[in-house]
Amino acid sequence: AQTVTQSQPEMSVQEAETVTLSCTYDTSESDYYLFWYKQPPSRQMILVIRQEAYKQQNATENRFSVNFQKAAKSFSLKISDSQLGDAAMYFCAYRSDSGGSNYKLTFGKGTLLTVNP
Amino acid sequence: NAGVMQNPRHLVRRRGQEARLRCSPMKGHSHVYWYRQLPEEGLKFMVYLQKENIIDESGMPKERFSAEFPKEGPSILRIQQVVRGDSAAYFCASSPWSRALNTEAFFGQGTRLTVV
Repeated sequence: AQTVTQSQPEMSVQEAETVTLSCTYDTSESDYYLFWYKQPPSRQMILVIRQEAYKQQNATENRFSVNFQKAAKSFSLKISDSQLGDAAMYFCAYRSDSGGSNYKLTFGKGTLLTVNP
Repeated sequence: NAGVMQNPRHLVRRRGQEARLRCSPMKGHSHVYWYRQLPEEGLKFMVYLQKENIIDESGMPKERFSAEFPKEGPSILRIQQVVRGDSAAYFCASSPWSRALNTEAFFGQGTRLTVV
């Protein structure tokens, strides 16, 4: 079974600075997707960024980018120019793209990000 | 195009009562997924449904929990005889299909169930 590990329960960053959130995963599959979701106090799960495992190029969405290391099974999220609105719980998630369970998301336990003004 | 709608947002039940959580998927979406988020935990898969069919309920507790997605109306997650350990946030997600390469599920805002 796949597992997702986020080793940082909490992180903090100064406004306008850069922060990196860590995520590692364990899988024996070669085809899969990785995601970062943001959960603000409203509890809404918001997709931040997505990475297809077959793509070597790291995904980027404005101030958010990932460092995807397939061999190391690592998928970190970098937030540049942090804003107060980035404060939230961030979840790393895995989804298989093969076999019969390609609809299930497996989540890590989350990292609570605080942004200090 | 409204997003995934869940209601109620908050639900308080006494031990032994029944809880019914509703999820209306996004327009055009025929696949619904339920996840549970216990305190200090990430979301965990419970069940995957298509209209009138349960595709995968491997994450559902064996007793007291059931889910349906009828031909008409919202998907319902039903918890009978609730216990304190059922207190959690329950999220619903929907997608237009399951195997499209670049699709991802869209989540609702969740229902926070508190059992007192």
